[in-house]
Amino acid sequence: DAKTTQPPSMDCAEGRAANLPCNHSTISGNEYVYWYRQIHSQGPQYIIHGLKNNETNEMASLIITEDRKSSTLILPHATLRDTAVYYCIVRVGGGNQGGKLIFGQGTELSVKP
Amino acid sequence: GAVVSQHPSWVICKSGTSVKIECRSLDFQATTMFWYRQFPKQSLMLMATSNEGSKATYEQGVEKDKFLINHASLTLSTLTVTSAHPEDSSFYICSATGGYTGELFFGEGSRLTVL
Repeated sequence: DAKTTQPPSMDCAEGRAANLPCNHSTISGNEYVYWYRQIHSQGPQYIIHGLKNNETNEMASLIITEDRKSSTLILPHATLRDTAVYYCIVRVGGGNQGGKLIFGQGTELSVKP
Repeated sequence: GAVVSQHPSWVICKSGTSVKIECRSLDFQATTMFWYRQFPKQSLMLMATSNEGSKATYEQGVEKDKFLINHASLTLSTLTVTSAHPEDSSFYICSATGGYTGELFFGEGSRLTVL
């Protein structure tokens, strides 16, 4: 079973920051948090991952709470092309080089003009 | 970035036939590959984990004789759906890992329709 809980859907205005929350209260000490997104009928696209420190790359920022029981993915300036299903996943077993990704239901983000 | 390619991207077959889907890592050696299936409006469901040179590990409820997985090289894994039936129609997606960055890369998916 997935170890994450996300809201089923969210809306965001174009140009604004999109903040997508995720709860993972049963996460273990060596389990990483991964974020992917999927646009209809395509394979998931990697966004970012982290263990306990906040992470930033060219796509997004990942904020992980100090107790690691939740995290937030931030898309700083959402565009219409960011409309997708966003999956927050805890990688089970093997740290960040092994282990598998068990997908939950994700959040369907709709960016509106 | 690293690329994972699947072939074919879509396939239509008759009930009772077998279909093979290939998953290739194009610019890295994939020590582990994963196979997922996805039904319309649902999330991805992990089917099996495949390590190069060893037998695949199947998730609970996935028939290993129905979904044959071979990972004979560090750049290729195949999924064969044997004696396919209409209920096997789905979107099959592979992912691969092998680098030290921690990223898992997904293929574009293969849509199987069984008539």
